[in-house]
Amino acid sequence: GENVEQHPSTLSVQEGDSAVIKCTYSDSASNYFPWYKQELGKGPQLIIDIRSNVGEKKDQRIAVTLNKTAKHFSLHITETQPEDSAVYFCAARIEGYGGSQGNLIFGKGTKLSVKP
Amino acid sequence: GAGVSQSPSNKVTEKGKDVELRCDPISGHTALYWYRQSLGQGLEFLIYFQGNSAPDKSGLPSDRFSAERTGGSVSTLTIQRTQQEDSAVYLCASSQRTGRYGYTFGSGTRLTVV
Repeated sequence: GENVEQHPSTLSVQEGDSAVIKCTYSDSASNYFPWYKQELGKGPQLIIDIRSNVGEKKDQRIAVTLNKTAKHFSLHITETQPEDSAVYFCAARIEGYGGSQGNLIFGKGTKLSVKP
Repeated sequence: GAGVSQSPSNKVTEKGKDVELRCDPISGHTALYWYRQSLGQGLEFLIYFQGNSAPDKSGLPSDRFSAERTGGSVSTLTIQRTQQEDSAVYLCASSQRTGRYGYTFGSGTRLTVV
């Protein structure tokens, strides 16, 4: 089955710097890759996702890149702010024809701390 | 409702007791998932319901764990004869069938077995 590895487990940056979190997946059939942000005491929230037909997607200060050949995808946060501090999870899933889906397999998470 | 609702938010139980955790998904979402998050760990898949199809139970860690979804809406996760290693946050999520917009998670139930 699918296995998702995520690095680093903790990341500390100064406000205004960039943060990069990297994930690798094992099943080449996976084609949907979301990123979730989890704040203390809350459930994870979807912040951005990418499908395997594109290599990069941006949404304001966050971007995700995908390298299908290497089975590697990354989250990039620019101009970090203290409110970006949270645990970030990557995930992978196979989406079938017509939108049928299986369950998401998650990485173990990265605790991001942004210091003012 | 506007979001995924889970109850209770916190549950403390004695070892050996049974517990039931409830999830009320977003109206119209046909897919419902249960995950377990242990301290400092990632999200471990437990079970997945999609419409009227047979659930995917491949993630349930033992036969002490079971779940049902009545009427295609509310789901209950039951843990029998709880053990200390069952202590974790149990998260429920729902999505539209296509999953195009990803999962929406509830805030979870923090289970502590003493």
